[in-house]
Amino acid sequence: EEQLVESGGGLVQPGGSLRLSCAASRFTFSFSWMHWVRQAPGKGLVWVSRISGDGSITSYADSVKGRFTVSRDNAKNTLYLQMNSLRAEDTAVYYCAREKEDYSRAFDYWGQGSLVTVSS
Amino acid sequence: QSALTQPASVSGSPGQSITISCTGTSSDVGVYNYVSWYQQHPGKAPKLMIYEVSNRPSGVSNRFSGSKSGNTASLTISGLQAEDEADYYCSSYTRSSPYVFGTGTKVTVL
Repeated sequence: EEQLVESGGGLVQPGGSLRLSCAASRFTFSFSWMHWVRQAPGKGLVWVSRISGDGSITSYADSVKGRFTVSRDNAKNTLYLQMNSLRAEDTAVYYCAREKEDYSRAFDYWGQGSLVTVSS
Repeated sequence: QSALTQPASVSGSPGQSITISCTGTSSDVGVYNYVSWYQQHPGKAPKLMIYEVSNRPSGVSNRFSGSKSGNTASLTISGLQAEDEADYYCSSYTRSSPYVFGTGTKVTVL
């Protein structure tokens, strides 16, 4: 079965930076659009960012635009989220997710989540 | 982009059917058939239950079904079971964001 494993979360001070990674296995990573979705403690899911299979197209939620950068290394089957100028409101569990390969705009595989805490 | 509107909670007894609504606008739910539903148990990652309004991924019980009318999509769980107790989120492709999730609904099995 397809697998996604996130890493890189932790505690960071306001204004700081952090990079999340998402290692993919058991599917053709370079064919898949990949997404980041976050969930603040006790709150709902919020879409954050996406990147096309070849990395040429990216999109961001307004709340992170200009601060977060999504990228990928298809040779390493790994997705990244570089988060800069972090704020308290960025505190959340961050999930990477794969978009279904049939272009149905749904997320069929999710990582286990990586907790990012922004606090002084 | 505002979140899609879902009821905060829905409950039912084992064996009953429940329906969760997901209300959007003419820029998301109303114009695209890219509505999906996710189940999330506490401390776990979301799981895809329905995609493209009414399609079930392989392995998802046929007790779960989806539909849409105008700007509102719905998820129906038939024959409610204890294991269905979880949070449920809808999602839609949009003209702007390009994705938006619902506010989430907690399903309680009485």
